[in-house]
Amino acid sequence: DADVTQTPRNRITKTGKRIMLECSQTKGHDRMYWYRQDPGLGLRLIYYSFDVKDINKGEISDGYSVSRQAQAKFSLSLESAIPNQTALYFCATSVRLAGTDTQYFGPGTRLTVL
Amino acid sequence: AQSVTQPDIHITVSEGASLELRCNYSYGATPYLFWYVQSPGQGLQLLLKYFSGDTLVQGIKGFEAEFKRSQSSFNLRKPSVHWSDAAEYFCAVGPILTGGGNKLTFGTGTQLKVEL
Repeated sequence: DADVTQTPRNRITKTGKRIMLECSQTKGHDRMYWYRQDPGLGLRLIYYSFDVKDINKGEISDGYSVSRQAQAKFSLSLESAIPNQTALYFCATSVRLAGTDTQYFGPGTRLTVL
Repeated sequence: AQSVTQPDIHITVSEGASLELRCNYSYGATPYLFWYVQSPGQGLQLLLKYFSGDTLVQGIKGFEAEFKRSQSSFNLRKPSVHWSDAAEYFCAVGPILTGGGNKLTFGTGTQLKVEL
Protein backbone atom coordinates (compact mmCIF):
# COMPACT_ATOMS: atom_id res chain seq x y z
CA ASP A 1 0.00 0.00 0.00
CA ALA A 2 1.13 3.54 -0.75
CA ASP A 3 2.52 5.55 2.15
CA VAL A 4 0.93 8.81 0.98
CA THR A 5 -2.49 8.65 -0.62
CA GLN A 6 -4.56 11.38 -2.22
CA THR A 7 -8.24 11.40 -3.02
CA PRO A 8 -9.67 11.93 -5.50
CA ARG A 9 -7.06 11.28 -8.17
CA ASN A 10 -9.01 13.23 -10.76
CA ARG A 11 -11.76 15.80 -10.38
CA ILE A 12 -13.63 18.01 -12.78
CA THR A 13 -15.71 20.78 -11.28
CA LYS A 14 -17.34 24.06 -12.20
CA THR A 15 -16.45 27.63 -11.34
CA GLY A 16 -17.76 28.63 -7.92
CA LYS A 17 -17.99 25.13 -6.49
CA ARG A 18 -16.35 24.16 -3.19
CA ILE A 19 -13.81 21.40 -3.54
CA MET A 20 -11.88 19.40 -0.98
CA LEU A 21 -8.78 17.37 -1.73
CA GLU A 22 -7.69 14.89 0.87
CA CYS A 23 -4.33 13.49 1.83
CA SER A 24 -3.59 10.60 4.17
CA GLN A 25 -0.27 9.10 5.18
CA THR A 26 0.89 6.00 6.99
CA LYS A 27 4.52 7.08 7.28
CA GLY A 28 4.06 8.47 10.77
CA HIS A 29 5.47 11.82 9.70
CA ASP A 30 4.50 14.97 11.57
CA ARG A 31 5.00 17.44 8.71
CA MET A 32 2.65 17.70 5.75
CA TYR A 33 2.52 19.97 2.70
CA TRP A 34 0.32 20.90 -0.23
CA TYR A 35 1.80 21.94 -3.59
CA ARG A 36 0.38 22.72 -6.98
CA GLN A 37 2.15 21.95 -10.23
CA ASP A 38 1.61 23.94 -13.39
CA PRO A 39 3.39 23.27 -16.69
CA GLY A 40 6.58 25.28 -16.91
CA LEU A 41 6.33 26.52 -13.34
CA GLY A 42 7.44 23.51 -11.33
CA LEU A 43 5.86 22.95 -7.91
CA ARG A 44 4.78 25.80 -5.68
CA LEU A 45 3.98 25.51 -1.99
CA ILE A 46 0.41 26.32 -0.96
CA TYR A 47 0.33 25.44 2.76
CA TYR A 48 2.35 23.41 5.19
CA SER A 49 1.81 22.01 8.67
CA PHE A 50 4.45 20.89 11.15
CA ASP A 51 1.94 19.31 13.52
CA VAL A 52 -1.80 19.22 14.12
CA LYS A 53 -1.87 22.67 15.73
CA ASP A 54 0.55 24.31 13.33
CA ILE A 55 -0.60 25.62 9.92
CA ASN A 56 1.45 27.94 7.74
CA LYS A 57 0.88 29.70 4.44
CA GLY A 58 3.14 28.97 1.53
CA GLU A 59 3.88 31.20 -1.41
CA ILE A 60 0.48 30.86 -3.13
CA SER A 61 -2.15 30.40 -0.39
CA ASP A 62 -4.75 32.87 -1.71
CA GLY A 63 -7.96 31.07 -2.65
CA TYR A 64 -7.07 27.98 -0.62
CA SER A 65 -7.57 26.79 2.93
CA VAL A 66 -6.41 23.69 4.79
CA SER A 67 -7.37 21.52 7.70
CA ARG A 68 -5.11 19.18 9.67
CA GLN A 69 -7.65 16.78 11.13
CA ALA A 70 -5.08 14.41 12.59
CA GLN A 71 -1.39 13.76 12.30
CA ALA A 72 -2.08 11.51 9.32
CA LYS A 73 -4.62 13.67 7.48
CA PHE A 74 -4.26 17.04 5.76
CA SER A 75 -7.02 18.43 3.53
CA LEU A 76 -6.91 21.23 1.01
CA SER A 77 -10.07 23.20 0.20
CA LEU A 78 -10.95 25.53 -2.60
CA GLU A 79 -13.87 27.52 -1.23
CA SER A 80 -14.97 28.85 -4.62
CA ALA A 81 -13.04 27.24 -7.44
CA ILE A 82 -11.90 29.30 -10.42
CA PRO A 83 -10.44 28.14 -13.75
CA ASN A 84 -6.88 29.25 -12.95
CA GLN A 85 -6.86 26.75 -10.09
CA THR A 86 -6.81 24.00 -12.70
CA ALA A 87 -3.59 22.17 -11.88
CA LEU A 88 -2.00 19.02 -10.53
CA TYR A 89 -1.99 19.06 -6.72
CA PHE A 90 0.49 17.14 -4.63
CA CYS A 91 0.56 16.31 -0.97
CA ALA A 92 3.89 15.58 0.70
CA THR A 93 5.06 14.48 4.14
CA SER A 94 8.32 14.67 6.03
CA VAL A 95 9.88 14.22 9.43
CA ARG A 96 12.97 15.76 10.88
CA LEU A 97 15.62 13.16 11.67
CA ALA A 98 19.16 13.92 12.77
CA GLY A 99 18.84 17.48 11.54
CA THR A 100 17.64 16.52 8.09
CA ASP A 101 14.21 16.62 6.52
CA THR A 102 13.19 14.88 3.29
CA GLN A 103 9.79 15.19 1.64
CA TYR A 104 7.89 12.24 0.18
CA PHE A 105 5.10 12.87 -2.29
CA GLY A 106 1.71 11.39 -2.99
CA PRO A 107 0.54 10.45 -6.49
CA GLY A 108 -1.23 13.75 -7.11
CA THR A 109 -4.77 14.96 -7.80
CA ARG A 110 -5.55 16.38 -11.20
CA LEU A 111 -8.15 19.14 -10.79
CA THR A 112 -9.95 20.77 -13.68
CA VAL A 113 -12.15 23.81 -13.07
CA LEU A 114 -14.47 24.62 -15.93
CA ALA B 1 15.11 34.36 -1.20
CA GLN B 2 16.12 30.97 -2.41
CA SER B 3 15.68 30.03 -6.04
CA VAL B 4 16.48 27.18 -8.39
CA THR B 5 17.23 27.33 -12.10
CA GLN B 6 17.06 24.40 -14.45
CA PRO B 7 18.22 25.94 -17.72
CA ASP B 8 17.23 23.04 -19.96
CA ILE B 9 13.49 22.63 -20.47
CA HIS B 10 13.86 19.62 -22.77
CA ILE B 11 16.76 17.22 -23.33
CA THR B 12 16.90 14.30 -25.74
CA VAL B 13 19.53 11.58 -25.47
CA SER B 14 20.02 8.21 -27.09
CA GLU B 15 19.66 5.10 -25.00
CA GLY B 16 23.05 4.12 -23.64
CA ALA B 17 24.42 7.65 -23.82
CA SER B 18 25.50 9.62 -20.79
CA LEU B 19 23.27 12.26 -19.23
CA GLU B 20 23.82 15.46 -17.32
CA LEU B 21 20.95 17.64 -16.13
CA ARG B 22 21.88 21.05 -14.87
CA CYS B 23 20.70 22.72 -11.69
CA ASN B 24 21.85 26.05 -10.29
CA TYR B 25 20.61 27.47 -7.02
CA SER B 26 20.65 30.74 -5.21
CA TYR B 27 20.80 30.73 -1.44
CA GLY B 28 22.74 32.63 1.18
CA ALA B 29 24.15 29.60 2.97
CA THR B 30 24.69 25.93 2.34
CA PRO B 31 21.33 24.53 1.37
CA TYR B 32 19.80 21.10 1.33
CA LEU B 33 19.57 19.93 -2.30
CA PHE B 34 17.33 17.32 -3.87
CA TRP B 35 16.57 15.71 -7.19
CA TYR B 36 13.14 14.24 -7.82
CA VAL B 37 11.82 12.39 -10.86
CA GLN B 38 8.25 12.40 -12.12
CA SER B 39 7.25 9.70 -14.54
CA PRO B 40 4.16 10.29 -16.69
CA GLY B 41 1.02 10.23 -14.56
CA GLN B 42 3.00 9.61 -11.39
CA GLY B 43 3.97 11.55 -8.32
CA LEU B 44 7.47 12.70 -7.49
CA GLN B 45 10.03 10.13 -6.46
CA LEU B 46 13.17 11.11 -4.59
CA LEU B 47 16.32 10.27 -6.55
CA LEU B 48 18.94 11.63 -4.20
CA LYS B 49 19.70 14.37 -1.71
CA TYR B 50 22.61 16.35 -0.36
CA PHE B 51 22.78 17.61 3.19
CA SER B 52 26.49 17.69 4.01
CA GLY B 53 29.69 15.73 3.68
CA ASP B 54 30.84 14.12 0.46
CA THR B 55 29.88 16.39 -2.41
CA LEU B 56 29.29 13.47 -4.78
CA VAL B 57 25.99 11.86 -3.88
CA GLN B 58 24.75 8.52 -5.11
CA GLY B 59 21.06 7.91 -5.65
CA ILE B 60 18.66 5.32 -6.90
CA LYS B 61 18.46 4.01 -10.46
CA GLY B 62 22.15 4.66 -11.08
CA PHE B 63 21.96 8.43 -10.75
CA GLU B 64 24.50 10.63 -9.03
CA ALA B 65 24.85 14.35 -8.41
CA GLU B 66 27.72 16.59 -7.47
CA PHE B 67 27.44 19.63 -5.24
CA LYS B 68 29.77 22.40 -6.35
CA ARG B 69 29.64 25.30 -3.93
CA SER B 70 31.83 27.57 -6.08
CA GLN B 71 29.42 27.21 -9.00
CA SER B 72 26.20 27.03 -6.94
CA SER B 73 25.36 23.90 -8.87
CA PHE B 74 23.99 20.44 -8.19
CA ASN B 75 24.01 18.67 -11.55
CA LEU B 76 22.48 15.23 -11.98
CA ARG B 77 24.35 12.60 -13.97
CA LYS B 78 23.94 9.08 -15.25
CA PRO B 79 26.61 7.26 -17.25
CA SER B 80 24.23 5.23 -19.40
CA VAL B 81 20.59 6.18 -19.89
CA HIS B 82 17.84 3.58 -20.19
CA TRP B 83 14.58 4.11 -22.06
CA SER B 84 12.73 3.90 -18.73
CA ASP B 85 14.53 7.07 -17.57
CA ALA B 86 12.30 9.18 -19.79
CA ALA B 87 10.53 11.47 -17.34
CA GLU B 88 10.57 14.97 -15.91
CA TYR B 89 13.30 15.80 -13.43
CA PHE B 90 13.08 18.43 -10.74
CA CYS B 91 15.84 19.99 -8.69
CA ALA B 92 14.84 21.49 -5.33
CA VAL B 93 16.53 23.48 -2.59
CA GLY B 94 15.60 23.71 1.08
CA PRO B 95 16.92 26.04 3.76
CA ILE B 96 19.29 24.22 6.09
CA LEU B 97 18.66 26.52 9.03
CA THR B 98 14.99 25.60 9.34
CA GLY B 99 15.49 21.88 9.21
CA GLY B 100 16.12 21.35 5.55
CA GLY B 101 13.30 20.30 3.32
CA ASN B 102 10.37 21.92 5.05
CA LYS B 103 10.11 24.78 2.57
CA LEU B 104 11.37 23.42 -0.67
CA THR B 105 11.77 25.62 -3.70
CA PHE B 106 11.58 23.70 -6.96
CA GLY B 107 13.05 24.36 -10.34
CA THR B 108 10.78 24.37 -13.36
CA GLY B 109 11.85 20.90 -14.41
CA THR B 110 13.71 19.26 -17.30
CA GLN B 111 11.82 16.90 -19.55
CA LEU B 112 14.04 14.00 -20.64
CA LYS B 113 13.31 12.09 -23.82
CA VAL B 114 15.22 8.91 -24.60
CA GLU B 115 15.63 7.82 -28.19
CA LEU B 116 15.93 4.11 -28.84
